[in-house]
Amino acid sequence: GENVEQHPSTLSVQEGDSAVIKCTYSDSASNYFPWYKQELGKGPQLIIDIRSNVGEKKDQRIAVTLNKTAKHFSLHITETQPEDSAVYFCAASLYQTGANNLFFGTGTRLTVIP
Amino acid sequence: NAGVTQTPKFRVLKTGQSMTLLCAQDMNHEYMYWYRQDPGMGLRLIHYSVGEGTTAKGEVPDGYNVSRLKKQNFLLGLESAAPSQTSVYFCASSYSRRWEPQHFGDGTRLSIL
Repeated sequence: GENVEQHPSTLSVQEGDSAVIKCTYSDSASNYFPWYKQELGKGPQLIIDIRSNVGEKKDQRIAVTLNKTAKHFSLHITETQPEDSAVYFCAASLYQTGANNLFFGTGTRLTVIP
Repeated sequence: NAGVTQTPKFRVLKTGQSMTLLCAQDMNHEYMYWYRQDPGMGLRLIHYSVGEGTTAKGEVPDGYNVSRLKKQNFLLGLESAAPSQTSVYFCASSYSRRWEPQHFGDGTRLSIL
């Protein structure tokens, strides 16, 4: 099955700085890569996703890049704010007829220091 | 619009007891999923369903059973709870179209003593 590795496990940045989280995946057939934000006591919430036919996607302060050749994708958060503090998960999915299962990384705890 | 609702939110069981976790979604999603989240291991898929009356195994299905009698509900059962099943359980749902995102509930924290 798919194996997703995520780094770093913890990340501290000063408010206003940028944060970058990186993930690699093992199955070259994976074609959908969502990123989730999880706050304490809550379920994961989708913040951005990218499909395999796109190299980069941006939504305000958040961007994701995908390198299919190297099988890695990254989350970039610019102008970080204290409310960005949370655990972030990357995931990979191989859409098959009758299944749309996600394989998750182990998470990155981001702390934004005011 | 409640989205995905999980009940109960917390539960403590003794080894060998049984229980059922309930997941309900009001988005008319075809697909539903059960994950468990353990420290340092991310989320792992237990079972999933691609429609009413169907179920299938995920990465870590042993010790769990599921049922999807109605499209909006997905039940996760533990027949004989073990301490290794202490975890936070998340339910998710999605449309069946390609590249559709999964929407998660807020989880059930389960402790097995």
